Amino acid sequence: GQNIDQPTEMTATEGAIVQINCTYQTSGFNGLFWYQQHAGEAPTFLSYNVLDGLEEKGRFSSFLSRSKGYSYLLLKELQMKDSASYLCAVEDSNYQLIWGAGTKLIIKP
Amino acid sequence: SAVISQKPSRDICQRGTSLTIQCQVDSQVTMMFWYRQQPGQSLTLIATANQGSEATYESGFVIDKFPISRPNLTFSTLTVSNMSPEDSSIYLCSVVLLTDNEQFFGPGTRLTVL
Repeated sequence: GQNIDQPTEMTATEGAIVQINCTYQTSGFNGLFWYQQHAGEAPTFLSYNVLDGLEEKGRFSSFLSRSKGYSYLLLKELQMKDSASYLCAVEDSNYQLIWGAGTKLIIKP
Repeated sequence: SAVISQKPSRDICQRGTSLTIQCQVDSQVTMMFWYRQQPGQSLTLIATANQGSEATYESGFVIDKFPISRPNLTFSTLTVSNMSPEDSSIYLCSVVLLTDNEQFFGPGTRLTVL
């Protein structure tokens, strides 16, 4: 079966760094998305990884290892507004998006 | 949770044609939405599909271009009409469950317009 795993909830301190992991088992792989979703709002696209390695965009970075079926989202210099759910989604060989359940990130002062 | 299916999963279409995307969910839901994600951009809400009545469209989207039907609580269609290459996108159906108000996303339809 197809499966995406990510932690249900994480807590971090303002100004710190947090890493949200995502592991996947899918029928093929065409890419991996990370989204941020604040309560009651549509998800916001953060990153799309197709090749192995780290991609950096400001305070957010995303890493992919296709051989390990593993990705992480790294958030630096955490701000209170980063409190949100972070969704991992993998595009399989049929171009279907398989969604993780999301990781709720709580930022404390 | 909810199991959402979309058909087709992907398609390559010619300019000027139309494509209808179907969304089926296995649970009773309150809300059904249609989104699109163009390459490198955020998910954009197209409209809320209302059961038995006209959909509610967001600014920048019109019924003539994106007609939507929702004949019952668990099924909806989105048509992308008179397509142009700018309509190339992932189209996503999303639902909010009756039971717990949580939002779920479908597997998406990847559309390429030549």
